[in-house]
Amino acid sequence: NFMLTQPHSVSESPGKTATISCTRSSGSIASNYVHWYQQRPGIAPTIVIYEDNQRPSGVPDRFSGSIDSSSNSASLTISGLKTEDEADYYCQSYDSSSAVFGGGTHLTVL
Amino acid sequence: QVQLEESGPGLVKPSETLSLTCTVSGGSIGSHFWNWIRQPPGKGLEWIGNIDSRGATSHNPSLKSRVTISEDTSKNHFSLKLSSVTAADTAVYYCARSFYYDGGFDYWGQGTLVTVSP
Repeated sequence: NFMLTQPHSVSESPGKTATISCTRSSGSIASNYVHWYQQRPGIAPTIVIYEDNQRPSGVPDRFSGSIDSSSNSASLTISGLKTEDEADYYCQSYDSSSAVFGGGTHLTVL
Repeated sequence: QVQLEESGPGLVKPSETLSLTCTVSGGSIGSHFWNWIRQPPGKGLEWIGNIDSRGATSHNPSLKSRVTISEDTSKNHFSLKLSSVTAADTAVYYCARSFYYDGGFDYWGQGTLVTVSP
């Protein structure tokens, strides 16, 4: 089994770029797709990146995803930050047939 | 547009069995994978398990012995039973769809809070 580790919080100013990392504890980050979710308070999560770097329709192109085998991590990058981007973000992947979530990162935009 | 809606008791006594149902509209549970995910108050997301189009199930190893997931294709819904609950099982429970076995969760229910208390 592996864990996905995210920073507890990230803070950045409006208009800037924020990057949230997700590090896999064992096994290759490239072994299974990484997906990313946005969750605003009191609302169910919504997917913002799937299959490492694909953006669902309706998600702004300010959101992008990538993986880096050298650091065994995935990243979610949000450019041109808006106050509405303030939320919790979770990465997720699979271990055999079990889904695994990262602990979540709270993004503050101020 | 696929929609999911959780239903079930909001309060369960310790040691009893939590039972929830997820009703799907706008799509058939005969395709794809159907998941249960939970979130304790103020904490992160935890995958509970899923059922696929053949009725095969997978579970989080940490919960496996207490979890039963089943489906009723005639009603287009699937269900979760979690036995021997404790206060640690208090959470918002979500149902969600994944398009394939290691796909992302693309459609979610609104979630239902289940509290375990005497």
